Amino acid sequence: EAQVTQNPRYLITVTGKKLTVTCSQNMNHEYMSWYRQDPGLGLRQIYYSMNVEVTDKGDVPEGYKVSRKEKRNFPLILESPSPNQTSLYFCASSLLASYNSPLHFGNGTRLTVT
Amino acid sequence: GQQVMQIPQYQHVQEGEDFTTYCNSSTTLSNIQWYKQRPGGHPVFLIQLVKSGEVKKQKRLTFQFGEAKKNSSLHITATQTTDVGTYFCAGPGGATNKLIFGTGTLLAVQP
Repeated sequence: EAQVTQNPRYLITVTGKKLTVTCSQNMNHEYMSWYRQDPGLGLRQIYYSMNVEVTDKGDVPEGYKVSRKEKRNFPLILESPSPNQTSLYFCASSLLASYNSPLHFGNGTRLTVT
Repeated sequence: GQQVMQIPQYQHVQEGEDFTTYCNSSTTLSNIQWYKQRPGGHPVFLIQLVKSGEVKKQKRLTFQFGEAKKNSSLHITATQTTDVGTYFCAGPGGATNKLIFGTGTLLAVQP
Protein backbone atom coordinates (compact mmCIF):
# COMPACT_ATOMS: atom_id res chain seq x y z
CA GLU A 1 0.00 0.00 0.00
CA ALA A 2 1.33 3.43 -0.98
CA GLN A 3 1.82 5.44 2.15
CA VAL A 4 3.81 7.85 4.26
CA THR A 5 4.71 6.35 7.61
CA GLN A 6 5.55 8.43 10.64
CA ASN A 7 6.71 7.23 14.03
CA PRO A 8 5.90 7.58 16.80
CA ARG A 9 2.24 8.65 16.74
CA TYR A 10 2.48 10.11 20.23
CA LEU A 11 5.49 11.35 22.13
CA ILE A 12 5.84 13.00 25.50
CA THR A 13 9.27 14.28 26.43
CA VAL A 14 11.04 16.78 28.62
CA THR A 15 12.76 20.01 27.71
CA GLY A 16 16.21 19.49 26.26
CA LYS A 17 16.02 15.77 25.57
CA LYS A 18 16.94 15.15 21.94
CA LEU A 19 14.38 13.30 19.88
CA THR A 20 13.83 12.11 16.33
CA VAL A 21 10.57 11.63 14.50
CA THR A 22 10.94 9.27 11.58
CA CYS A 23 9.22 9.55 8.23
CA SER A 24 9.33 7.07 5.40
CA GLN A 25 7.51 6.89 2.07
CA ASN A 26 7.27 3.92 -0.28
CA MET A 27 6.13 5.79 -3.40
CA ASN A 28 9.55 6.83 -4.75
CA HIS A 29 8.58 10.46 -4.28
CA GLU A 30 11.16 13.16 -4.91
CA TYR A 31 9.73 15.76 -2.56
CA MET A 32 9.31 15.44 1.20
CA SER A 33 8.34 18.00 3.78
CA TRP A 34 7.58 18.50 7.47
CA TYR A 35 4.70 20.59 8.76
CA ARG A 36 3.49 21.51 12.19
CA GLN A 37 -0.15 22.14 12.90
CA ASP A 38 -1.27 24.43 15.70
CA PRO A 39 -4.80 25.66 16.48
CA GLY A 40 -5.65 28.77 14.53
CA LEU A 41 -2.39 28.71 12.59
CA GLY A 42 -3.06 25.97 10.07
CA LEU A 43 -0.19 23.99 8.61
CA ARG A 44 3.20 25.64 8.67
CA GLN A 45 6.17 24.21 6.84
CA ILE A 46 9.28 23.44 8.86
CA TYR A 47 11.70 22.00 6.32
CA TYR A 48 11.47 20.44 2.92
CA SER A 49 13.60 18.36 0.60
CA MET A 50 13.45 18.35 -3.16
CA ASN A 51 15.63 15.28 -3.48
CA VAL A 52 18.35 13.26 -1.78
CA GLU A 53 20.89 15.47 0.00
CA VAL A 54 18.86 18.58 -0.86
CA THR A 55 17.05 20.23 2.04
CA ASP A 56 15.83 23.75 2.68
CA LYS A 57 14.14 25.78 5.37
CA GLY A 58 10.43 26.33 5.42
CA ASP A 59 8.62 29.02 7.34
CA VAL A 60 9.37 27.86 10.89
CA PRO A 61 12.72 26.01 10.88
CA GLU A 62 14.12 27.26 14.19
CA GLY A 63 14.86 24.44 16.62
CA TYR A 64 14.60 21.68 14.02
CA LYS A 65 16.98 19.73 11.83
CA VAL A 66 16.38 17.31 8.99
CA SER A 67 18.38 15.04 6.74
CA ARG A 68 17.70 13.28 3.44
CA LYS A 69 20.33 10.61 2.99
CA GLU A 70 17.96 8.24 1.22
CA LYS A 71 15.05 9.04 -1.03
CA ARG A 72 12.51 7.27 1.13
CA ASN A 73 13.43 8.68 4.56
CA PHE A 74 13.21 12.20 5.95
CA PRO A 75 13.64 12.28 9.74
CA LEU A 76 12.87 15.36 11.82
CA ILE A 77 15.31 16.02 14.65
CA LEU A 78 14.76 18.20 17.67
CA GLU A 79 18.17 18.62 19.28
CA SER A 80 16.90 20.41 22.38
CA PRO A 81 13.09 20.42 22.46
CA SER A 82 11.28 23.24 24.20
CA PRO A 83 7.62 23.54 25.28
CA ASN A 84 6.82 25.83 22.33
CA GLN A 85 7.51 22.86 20.06
CA THR A 86 4.53 21.03 21.50
CA SER A 87 2.45 20.48 18.40
CA LEU A 88 1.02 18.05 15.87
CA TYR A 89 3.60 17.21 13.23
CA PHE A 90 2.97 15.89 9.74
CA CYS A 91 5.37 14.50 7.21
CA ALA A 92 4.30 14.74 3.58
CA SER A 93 5.65 13.70 0.21
CA SER A 94 4.85 14.32 -3.42
CA LEU A 95 5.93 12.71 -6.64
CA LEU A 96 7.56 15.80 -8.06
CA ALA A 97 9.51 18.60 -6.46
CA SER A 98 6.88 21.03 -7.58
CA TYR A 99 4.02 22.90 -5.99
CA ASN A 100 1.81 21.40 -8.71
CA SER A 101 2.17 17.95 -7.26
CA PRO A 102 -0.38 16.87 -4.60
CA LEU A 103 0.95 16.08 -1.15
CA HIS A 104 0.49 12.72 0.60
CA PHE A 105 0.52 13.07 4.37
CA GLY A 106 1.53 10.71 7.12
CA ASN A 107 -0.77 10.03 10.07
CA GLY A 108 0.90 12.62 12.24
CA THR A 109 2.94 12.72 15.44
CA ARG A 110 1.55 14.47 18.46
CA LEU A 111 4.47 15.81 20.47
CA THR A 112 4.25 17.18 23.99
CA VAL A 113 7.30 18.83 25.55
CA THR A 114 7.09 19.48 29.27
CA GLY B 1 5.10 37.53 2.65
CA GLN B 2 2.37 35.76 0.79
CA GLN B 3 -0.72 34.91 2.78
CA VAL B 4 -3.58 32.54 2.14
CA MET B 5 -6.63 33.27 4.25
CA GLN B 6 -9.75 31.21 4.65
CA ILE B 7 -13.18 32.16 5.91
CA PRO B 8 -14.99 31.22 7.95
CA GLN B 9 -12.73 29.62 10.53
CA TYR B 10 -15.62 27.54 11.79
CA GLN B 11 -19.07 26.65 10.50
CA HIS B 12 -21.78 24.62 12.18
CA VAL B 13 -24.62 23.40 9.98
CA GLN B 14 -27.59 21.09 10.22
CA GLU B 15 -27.34 17.98 8.13
CA GLY B 16 -28.78 18.71 4.70
CA GLU B 17 -27.78 22.37 4.67
CA ASP B 18 -25.25 23.72 2.22
CA PHE B 19 -21.77 24.89 3.19
CA THR B 20 -19.20 27.14 1.54
CA THR B 21 -15.64 28.00 2.48
CA TYR B 22 -13.66 30.76 0.80
CA CYS B 23 -9.95 31.02 0.19
CA ASN B 24 -8.19 34.29 -0.61
CA SER B 25 -4.59 34.86 -1.58
CA SER B 26 -2.62 38.08 -1.37
CA THR B 27 -0.99 37.20 -4.71
CA THR B 28 -2.03 35.54 -7.95
CA LEU B 29 -1.81 31.77 -7.82
CA SER B 30 -0.76 29.46 -10.64
CA ASN B 31 -2.93 26.76 -9.12
CA ILE B 32 -4.79 25.94 -5.94
CA GLN B 33 -5.23 22.68 -4.10
CA TRP B 34 -7.87 21.62 -1.58
CA TYR B 35 -7.41 19.16 1.25
CA LYS B 36 -9.73 17.65 3.85
CA GLN B 37 -8.67 16.63 7.34
CA ARG B 38 -11.08 14.49 9.34
CA PRO B 39 -11.01 14.93 13.14
CA GLY B 40 -7.94 13.13 14.47
CA GLY B 41 -6.73 12.44 10.94
CA HIS B 42 -4.31 13.80 8.42
CA PRO B 43 -4.91 16.10 5.44
CA VAL B 44 -6.03 14.28 2.33
CA PHE B 45 -5.77 15.79 -1.14
CA LEU B 46 -9.13 16.49 -2.76
CA ILE B 47 -8.50 18.40 -5.97
CA GLN B 48 -6.32 20.86 -7.85
CA LEU B 49 -7.54 23.80 -9.94
CA VAL B 50 -5.32 25.43 -12.53
CA LYS B 51 -7.30 27.53 -14.96
CA SER B 52 -8.84 30.93 -14.38
CA GLY B 53 -12.57 30.53 -13.68
CA GLU B 54 -12.28 26.75 -13.48
CA VAL B 55 -15.10 24.81 -11.85
CA LYS B 56 -14.78 21.17 -10.86
CA LYS B 57 -17.26 18.87 -9.17
CA GLN B 58 -16.84 15.80 -7.02
CA LYS B 59 -20.30 14.47 -6.20
CA ARG B 60 -21.74 17.05 -3.77
CA LEU B 61 -18.55 19.14 -3.69
CA THR B 62 -18.04 22.03 -6.12
CA PHE B 63 -14.69 23.78 -6.39
CA GLN B 64 -14.16 27.10 -8.10
CA PHE B 65 -11.05 29.07 -9.01
CA GLY B 66 -11.56 32.81 -9.36
CA GLU B 67 -11.14 34.65 -12.63
CA ALA B 68 -8.21 36.62 -11.22
CA LYS B 69 -6.72 33.42 -9.74
CA LYS B 70 -6.50 35.01 -6.30
CA ASN B 71 -9.44 33.28 -4.70
CA SER B 72 -11.20 29.97 -4.61
CA SER B 73 -14.22 28.38 -3.00
CA LEU B 74 -15.47 24.98 -1.96
CA HIS B 75 -19.22 24.44 -1.81
CA ILE B 76 -20.84 21.35 -0.35
CA THR B 77 -24.46 20.71 -1.25
CA ALA B 78 -26.70 18.99 1.28
CA THR B 79 -24.06 18.28 3.91
CA GLN B 80 -23.79 14.88 5.54
CA THR B 81 -22.14 13.87 8.80
CA THR B 82 -19.33 12.33 6.77
CA ASP B 83 -18.40 15.85 5.59
CA VAL B 84 -17.22 16.80 9.08
CA GLY B 85 -13.62 17.98 9.18
CA THR B 86 -11.30 20.84 8.38
CA TYR B 87 -10.96 21.96 4.80
CA PHE B 88 -7.71 23.59 3.72
CA CYS B 89 -6.79 25.38 0.55
CA ALA B 90 -3.15 25.61 -0.47
CA GLY B 91 -1.33 27.59 -3.11
CA PRO B 92 2.24 27.98 -4.37
CA GLY B 93 4.44 30.20 -2.24
CA GLY B 94 5.57 32.76 -4.78
CA ALA B 95 9.09 32.26 -6.02
CA THR B 96 9.75 29.46 -3.60
CA ASN B 97 8.97 25.86 -4.40
CA LYS B 98 6.57 25.26 -1.57
CA LEU B 99 2.88 25.13 -0.82
CA ILE B 100 1.31 27.72 1.47
CA PHE B 101 -1.69 26.41 3.37
CA GLY B 102 -4.68 28.46 4.36
CA THR B 103 -5.77 28.57 7.97
CA GLY B 104 -8.56 26.07 7.32
CA THR B 105 -12.31 25.96 7.89
CA LEU B 106 -13.66 23.54 10.46
CA LEU B 107 -17.05 22.15 9.45
CA ALA B 108 -19.34 20.63 12.06
CA VAL B 109 -22.51 18.88 10.89
CA GLN B 110 -25.33 18.22 13.30
CA PRO B 111 -27.48 15.19 12.45
